[in-house]
Amino acid sequence: AQSVTQLGSHVSVSEGALVLLRCNYSSSVPPYLFWYVQYPNQGLQLLLKYTTGATLVKGINGFEAEFKKSETSFHLTKPSAHMSDAAEYFCAVRSMGLSFGAGTTVTVRA
Amino acid sequence: DAGITQSPRHKVTETGTPVTLRCHQTENHRYMYWYRQDPGHGLRLIHYSYGVKDTDKGEVSDGYSVSRSKTEDFLLTLESATSSQTSVYFCAISGGPARNPYTEAFFGQGTRLTVV
Repeated sequence: AQSVTQLGSHVSVSEGALVLLRCNYSSSVPPYLFWYVQYPNQGLQLLLKYTTGATLVKGINGFEAEFKKSETSFHLTKPSAHMSDAAEYFCAVRSMGLSFGAGTTVTVRA
Repeated sequence: DAGITQSPRHKVTETGTPVTLRCHQTENHRYMYWYRQDPGHGLRLIHYSYGVKDTDKGEVSDGYSVSRSKTEDFLLTLESATSSQTSVYFCAISGGPARNPYTEAFFGQGTRLTVV
């Protein structure tokens, strides 16, 4: 069975600072991994995905994530936070449907 | 929003009443899913469909049933609503023209259901 653990339910960063959201997965098969973002009262929007190939994946809004098989991790980063990055972020691994982590809420301080 | 419409967007219902939520897609994706979102739990899969009249249970299926009589519509029914089913429900689709189930999923805007 596939599962995801997101470390930290809340992350607070200053505007312009690094954003780092941690995700570890377990999977019995080569994983397909995803990061989604959810703004208040909206659905989920795909930020980026890893299927095969290059382990450093670039997504929308300046986010990127690196797949590390040896660490079973898929951490999400953004070099410089913007106020508009305040949202909830979900890591997911592909199974039938998607298995989601519990989510990390990001707040950005001015 | 990848052509996904959920209805209703908000509903308040009484304990013990039946409730049906509808998901409609215009993208011809093969796979459709119902999730519920609750604080601290992320999104959890209720049921999914891999084709017309082909459905299966997810991890939190108790108290829910689904039907898919057409490619574009996936219905979620709470036969007798309980307060524990107060949640935000999301429909998702995946597969696309290539019918690959392991592509990313696209989500609807959600239905906020309150059972009083």
